[in-house]
Parts: sequence; structure tokens; C-alpha cells
Amino acid sequence: KQEVTQIPAALSVPEGENLVLNCSFTDSAIYNLQWFRQDPGKGLTSLLLIQSSQREQTSGRLNASLDKSSGRSTLYIAASQPGDSATYLCAVSSSGYSTLTFGKGTMLLVSP
Amino acid sequence: SAVISQKPSRDICQRGTSLTIQCQVDSQVTMMFWYRQQPGQSLTLIATANQGSEATYESGFVIDKFPISRPNLTFSTLTVSNMSPEDSSIYLCSVVGRASTDTQYFGPGTRLTVL
Repeated sequence: KQEVTQIPAALSVPEGENLVLNCSFTDSAIYNLQWFRQDPGKGLTSLLLIQSSQREQTSGRLNASLDKSSGRSTLYIAASQPGDSATYLCAVSSSGYSTLTFGKGTMLLVSP
Repeated sequence: SAVISQKPSRDICQRGTSLTIQCQVDSQVTMMFWYRQQPGQSLTLIATANQGSEATYESGFVIDKFPISRPNLTFSTLTVSNMSPEDSSIYLCSVVGRASTDTQYFGPGTRLTVL
């Protein structure tokens, strides 16, 4: 059974810092990995999707990497801003059109 | 991309009653899912909503408690039956885009509180 772990559970940084969120998964036979953002009381917003054949994806200040063989992914946020404050969720799928297994998330607080 | 709406956005219900949550997608999709997010926890899959047939439930979830309908490729409902305070959660529907390599899109969620 796939298990997804995210470290740290919570992170507080001052504005402008670069930061890294970590995600690990137990079964390396994944189809893709996604990073989501969840704001309090709201649904999920997809940030980045990495296919199993890819090593990284970038969107603006966000960069996600994937090392499938070691079961790890990182989400790098450059020049953090207070608007980045949210819970970041990592999720993996085992095949196309399949369901996602989620980690518990990292709660990020960026202070002005 | 897919735009998903859910109704209601939130509700407060009494123990023993039932609530039906609606999920509407702006385009036809193959796969629709229902997730639950209990307070302080991550998302847990309840079931896959299959068009024209019975939903496929995950371990720990049963049809009598969470009946699901999916009459067409753009709409699904989840009912939370005979509610107890332990059912207080955010319920989210999600869909996979047109391609199997596409991202999953999530609705805004329904925040349910059971008293």
C-alpha cells in the first residue's frame, strides 16, 4: 500500500526566504506526482504535475523535482511571499486516470 | 482544464439526518472521485463515481453510508447518510482531465458540521 510522507509538518519563514518542502513515497511505481496548495476552508489548487518519466517541473517561483527511484520529491519555493502561506499537499497516482494518495501536508506561514 | 462546482458550500446538520452534495463539471470527464478531509487530516478517497453503474468504494466506506449517483459524464452526487459528529469533514469531488496524463482538478469542497 502506497504511503506518502511530508516533512516538515509545519514551517514558518520570513518573507523573501527560499524554502524546500519534502515528500517521500514508499512505492516507486508511480504514474505521476502532483503538488497542490490548499487555502483554509477551500479546495485544492494544482501547482505542478510531474510525470514519472520527468525529473522536474517549473512554474514561476515554484520548482518541483522527482527522484522516482529513491521515492522522493521536493517543492522549492523561491523568494517566498506572505501570499504563499497555505498548506502544501503532495500526492501520487499509480496509473493514469487513477486516484491519488495524499500526504498530510506541510503548513507554510510566510511572515511579512 | 476543468471547472468544478459543488453545492452546498457548507452546511450544519443534526445527528441522524442525511445530506446530499452535488458536484457539477463544466465538461465531460471520464473519472470522478469523492474524497473526505477530516479536521487536521489529509484527503482520503471515499469512492470512484462510475457513470451508469455502481460506485467503487474504498476500504472502510460503504454504499449504505455514502450512496453515490452519477447519471452522466458531468454530474455526481454524494449522500452522507444517518450523520454523526464523526462525519464532520470537508467533502471534495475531483475529476481527471481529458488525458490520462492530465492533472486532477478539485471542487471547492463542502464543509459539513454535524451537531
